Order: sequence, then C-alpha cells, then structure tokens
Amino acid sequence: AQSVAQPEDQVNVAEGNPLTVKCTYSVSGNPYLFWYVQYPNRGLQFLLKYITGDNLVKGSYGFEAEFNKSQTSFHLKKPSALVSDSALYFCAVKPTALIFGKGTTLSVSS
Amino acid sequence: DTAVSQTPKYLVTQMGNDKSIKCEQNLGHDTMYWYKQDSKKFLKIMFSYNNKELIINETVPNRFSPKSPDKAHLNLHINSLELGDSAVYFCASSQRADEQYFGPGTRLTVT
Repeated sequence: AQSVAQPEDQVNVAEGNPLTVKCTYSVSGNPYLFWYVQYPNRGLQFLLKYITGDNLVKGSYGFEAEFNKSQTSFHLKKPSALVSDSALYFCAVKPTALIFGKGTTLSVSS
Repeated sequence: DTAVSQTPKYLVTQMGNDKSIKCEQNLGHDTMYWYKQDSKKFLKIMFSYNNKELIINETVPNRFSPKSPDKAHLNLHINSLELGDSAVYFCASSQRADEQYFGPGTRLTVT
C-alpha cells in the first residue's frame, strides 16, 4: 500500500536554530513528493516539491527538502527557524492523488 | 484575487439535512479535488475531476456527490447529513501533476 509517514507529532525548536521535520514514504515507481504548511484556520499552502533532478529542493520561506531514494525519505529543513514558522506541516506523495502524512506540528519558541 | 475560493466558510446544520459546498478556481487549472480534514487534522482525498470528468472517487458514502459544471467549478452536495460528516472540507486545484492550490476550507458542523 502507498503511504506517507511523519514519525513526529510535534517538533520543538528555538528561534534561530536549524529545524528538521521528517517524512518517509512508501510508493511504487518514481514518487512526486510535496511539503505543505497549514496555519490555524487556513487552507494548505504549497512549500516545495520533488519530481526529478537535484535531490536538494529549495522552496518558499527559506525551506528546503532532501530527497533520499535509498532511505525513501523527504525531510523538510530550514537552517534558522523563525517564530512565524510555527504551523502544521504535511508531507505528501502523489502516485495519482495526493496521499498526506498525518502532519507534524512545528513549534518555534523565541 | 483569490485563487481557490469556497462558500460557505462555515456551515452548521442538523442531522438529516442536505447541504452543498461550492468551489471555484481562477487559475485555469484542469484538475480539481475535494479533501476532508477530520478533527485530528488528518487529510484524505474524496474526489478528483479532470476537465469535468470524475477521475478519482475514493471510498466515500453515496450521500456525497460531486458535480463539476465546468472546469473552474467543483461543487460538493451532501445528502442526509450525519454527525460523522462534521469536518473541514477543502477544495484544491492543480495543473496536471503540479502542486495543488487549496481553498480556505469549509467547516461543516452537524448537530
């Protein structure tokens, strides 16, 4: 079965520190991988995607993600966290429609 | 201009009623979707339309019926509402396999 796993319900980080939100996937064939962010009472916003090419993908708001085929992972990273990055983050894979992970709440403290 | 819009934003209704949620996108995308987000924030695809044609129909009760009058609109009609239908429903659109753009959501509360 095709699936996405986000092993952490919550990630806490201090402002200015690097952050990582983990994602692993299980899908047949070559995956399309996405990260979305959801702020309270809002819809999802696209951050970045991996389709093919360079394993390091850069996206919006200074976020980046690294595709690792051998580990079937697509972790989201940012070198220096901001308080305004606090939100719910979803990893998703698209064989046909998007399959979302359960989400990881990122909390950045000042 | 809002890229993907949904109406209404909030919907409170009683069990057994029939209600509709409307979605419109002005991005020129050819594919539209409906997702359901439950109280635990879990997101699941319900339906997908490509150029007005239904292409994805996940395991959803027959009480839910999507309708796409044209490429820019995808409405969701729900018959005989049940308590378990309470959730936030998101519409989204995309161009082929590209990233999806989501609407602001419709919070449905069934009492």
